[in-house]
Amino acid sequence: DAGVIQSPRHEVTEMGQEVTLRCKPISGHNSLFWYRQTMMRGLELLIYFNNNVPIDDSGMPEDRFSAKMPNASFSTLKIQPSEPRDSAVYFCASSVGQGLNEKLFFGSGTQLSVL
Amino acid sequence: DQQVKQNSPSLSVQEGRISILNCDYTNSMFDYFLWYKKYPAEGPTFLISISSIKDKNEDGRFTVFLNKSAKHLSLHIVPSQPGDSAVYFCAASPIQGAQKLVFGQGTRLTINP
Repeated sequence: DAGVIQSPRHEVTEMGQEVTLRCKPISGHNSLFWYRQTMMRGLELLIYFNNNVPIDDSGMPEDRFSAKMPNASFSTLKIQPSEPRDSAVYFCASSVGQGLNEKLFFGSGTQLSVL
Repeated sequence: DQQVKQNSPSLSVQEGRISILNCDYTNSMFDYFLWYKKYPAEGPTFLISISSIKDKNEDGRFTVFLNKSAKHLSLHIVPSQPGDSAVYFCAASPIQGAQKLVFGQGTRLTINP
């Protein structure tokens, strides 16, 4: 299994530009999560999907952030317009089922720098 | 407000000694706790977990202790090895599942030869 695949690995953009981060979850996993890692706050949950349906987006910081999951094998996180304070590492994670012993499997992350 | 806190950003331990990483939480509804380990340029990976019905869970060199009255948990690594050098995240959930995981800021552990 290739694991959770994220692209790009690194993104450098200028303030005001649109940024799109991509994620392919592990095949068969029915939950997908977007996290943001910063030094101050650690890993913050932005949004998660169950069976391609957004369940909780209360962690999305502003309307500039949006996420979609058009099918079970693909999700995007979009920031438009981007700002320097959005600079962080963005992780996608997936899991299967709920309850006992459920574990998150993370991708390698996208390092975003907004200049 | 940070519901899960790891107050030590970094920790340095000599190889072969015990590493103790600490985590405090504020939400009394949390009843499932996990530790994740993260190497540079990789995503976090699950290490060990504990349910609130227990006060200790052991897996090889790794042991997690839970003190519910103090709202505190700790991860012990004995003996510490150079490959244990990584960032460790503590996480908590009000239910035993991934959907409501709240992570701490992380502690960078360095094991010195």
